Amino acid sequence: EIVMTQSPDTLSVSPGERATLSCRASQSVSSNLAWYQQKPGQAPRLLIYGASTRATGIPARFSGSGSGTEFTLTISSLQSEDFAVYYCQQYANWPLTFGGGTKVEIK
Amino acid sequence: QVQLQESGPGLVKPSETLSLTCTVSGGSISTYYWSWIRQPPGKGLEWIAYRYYSGSTNYNPSLKSRITISLDTSKNQLSLKLTSVTAADTAVYYCASTTQWLSWFYWGHGTLVTVSP
Repeated sequence: EIVMTQSPDTLSVSPGERATLSCRASQSVSSNLAWYQQKPGQAPRLLIYGASTRATGIPARFSGSGSGTEFTLTISSLQSEDFAVYYCQQYANWPLTFGGGTKVEIK
Repeated sequence: QVQLQESGPGLVKPSETLSLTCTVSGGSISTYYWSWIRQPPGKGLEWIAYRYYSGSTNYNPSLKSRITISLDTSKNQLSLKLTSVTAADTAVYYCASTTQWLSWFYWGHGTLVTVSP
């Protein structure tokens, strides 16, 4: 099983600032990596797939990069609606696995 | 626009079988890839099972002996059965689908299942 590790656990950021979230895979997943946003009481929302392709309707301030074992989600200028928990997920190998999440909170 | 709605009992007794249904509207169940994903209260996401209309399935090894995932194309529904439940199976259960290989674009609202006597 591929273990996904996200860091940091919590990121405190001021509105308008940049947020950088990391996700590491225990073995290469190539570009088979997705990012999700989840707000309290809501289902996750797909942001990025293929490591760097924005899903339909996702604003350009969200960008993904990386391949192999190291990945980054960048939110260029945090808006109030971006404060949430973010998860990465690999789909290179079965079983599909998620990272433990990074909570982005208001500083 | 595809919409997903999970349904099932909110409370299941230990050792019994959890049965959930996901009703699909706005699209054909045979067009998408499907999964069940769960989230224990206050915790992260855990993938449970995958199904494609062709019959292809895959299960989380940690649950494989207890899970069945199925599609009913006549009803446009996805189902999950999880046998011999324990308190550790208490979670919000989501059905999810996609046309992009295994990155989940469409999600239901989720249904909380509590395992308790």
